[in-house]
Amino acid sequence: NAGVTQTPKFQVLKTGQSMTLQCAQDMNHNSMYWYRQDPGMGLRLIYYSASEGTTDKGEVPNGYNVSRLNKREFSLRLESAAPSQTSVYFCASSEAIWGTGGFGTEAFFGQGTRLTVV
Amino acid sequence: LAKTTQPISMDSYEGQEVNITCSHNNIATNDYITWYQQFPSQGPRFIIQGYKTKVTNEVASLFIPADRKSSTLSLPRVSLSDTAVYYCLVRNGQNFVFGPGTRLSVLP
Repeated sequence: NAGVTQTPKFQVLKTGQSMTLQCAQDMNHNSMYWYRQDPGMGLRLIYYSASEGTTDKGEVPNGYNVSRLNKREFSLRLESAAPSQTSVYFCASSEAIWGTGGFGTEAFFGQGTRLTVV
Repeated sequence: LAKTTQPISMDSYEGQEVNITCSHNNIATNDYITWYQQFPSQGPRFIIQGYKTKVTNEVASLFIPADRKSSTLSLPRVSLSDTAVYYCLVRNGQNFVFGPGTRLSVLP
């Protein structure tokens, strides 16, 4: 069972280049998320998708766009990469949106994509 | 919005019990408390979740007092492989927010 799969695992971009980070989950989860993690810090939410066909901004959405391609896949796009976007990016999925209905919901994370923008 | 506070770092020795306390004064009535573990170069991994009193699984125990303004993650008899960052999470709006976590170092 693969869980949450992210590609690529590593990427180096030049300032101004664009790229798309791919994420796929095989657990039939409704909700998916993109986080970034900078050194010594916790994860910060970029965008999330509560269900197929919907996307919403998180804490740090500027400079990013997302697409919920289908129930399995949720991609993150950097249109014009900047050095400030150097980070480790994590995709996650959960059965339902976290906290909905007062129920705790476990989220499953991918292994991350380490992105360097030079 | 709910915010959590936990120690930045802790040291322990192999075989000891480790307790990490998290404060969440503004937790909402319906919110659960969730703990995640993160090893270097890996995504966070779910450890345990609870609403009140005590929850125990094969990995850890979670103690939550009646007022729910804090919680304590208890790791019994830690080993070197428990060295990781531990995050305490409660809901913040639509989603969980990760703070800097507690970096636990287990020494031989």
